[in-house]
Amino acid sequence: AQSVTQLDSHVSVSEGTPVLLRCNYSSSYSPSLFWYVQHPNKGLQLLLKYTSAATLVKGINGFEAEFKKSETSFHLTKPSAHMSDAAEYFCVVSDRGSGNTGKLIFGQGTTLQVKP
Amino acid sequence: GAGVSQSPSNKVTEKGKDVELRCDPISGHTALYWYRQSLGQGLEFLIYFQGNSAPDKSGLPSDRFSAERTGGSVSTLTIQRTQQEDSAVYLCASSRDSAGYEQYFGPGTRLTVT
Repeated sequence: AQSVTQLDSHVSVSEGTPVLLRCNYSSSYSPSLFWYVQHPNKGLQLLLKYTSAATLVKGINGFEAEFKKSETSFHLTKPSAHMSDAAEYFCVVSDRGSGNTGKLIFGQGTTLQVKP
Repeated sequence: GAGVSQSPSNKVTEKGKDVELRCDPISGHTALYWYRQSLGQGLEFLIYFQGNSAPDKSGLPSDRFSAERTGGSVSTLTIQRTQQEDSAVYLCASSRDSAGYEQYFGPGTRLTVT
């Protein structure tokens, strides 16, 4: 079975400071991992994805994530937070099990608050 | 190009009524997924369609839920005899293929059962 655990339900940072959103995964297979963002009353948008190529993945809006197999982690980072980054972030693993359907398994979400 | 569209954007219904939610995927995408986002359960998978293969219905919470996909394109999610616990945002996503490919999400349908 595959799963993801987001270690923080809420993270608060000041504008201009680094962002770290933590995610651990569990998978019996080589995982496909994603980070999605959801702004208030908006749809889900893909930030970045890892599919067994480079372990450091760069995404949109300055975000990046590093796949660490030894730590089963896929933490999301950004060097400098912007007010527009305030949103809900989801760490996601793609199902690679029976049927290989690609259905997404979502973490519980992390709310990022950015203070001026 | 056009993204995934869903209709209606909002639906308020009385307990016990049936509802139909519609999803138009991105043209050419063979895989289509339905998810549900609710306060208590977070985001959860409901059902998956891929081409002409039998759908994966393993996420449907009860037999009141069903879905179909006609002509490999538009999909309809039907909830019969709605209950208050069905209140949620229902999200549709499509992708070029299945595992590992990016899924593009629609804006969702907010269902409120009174």
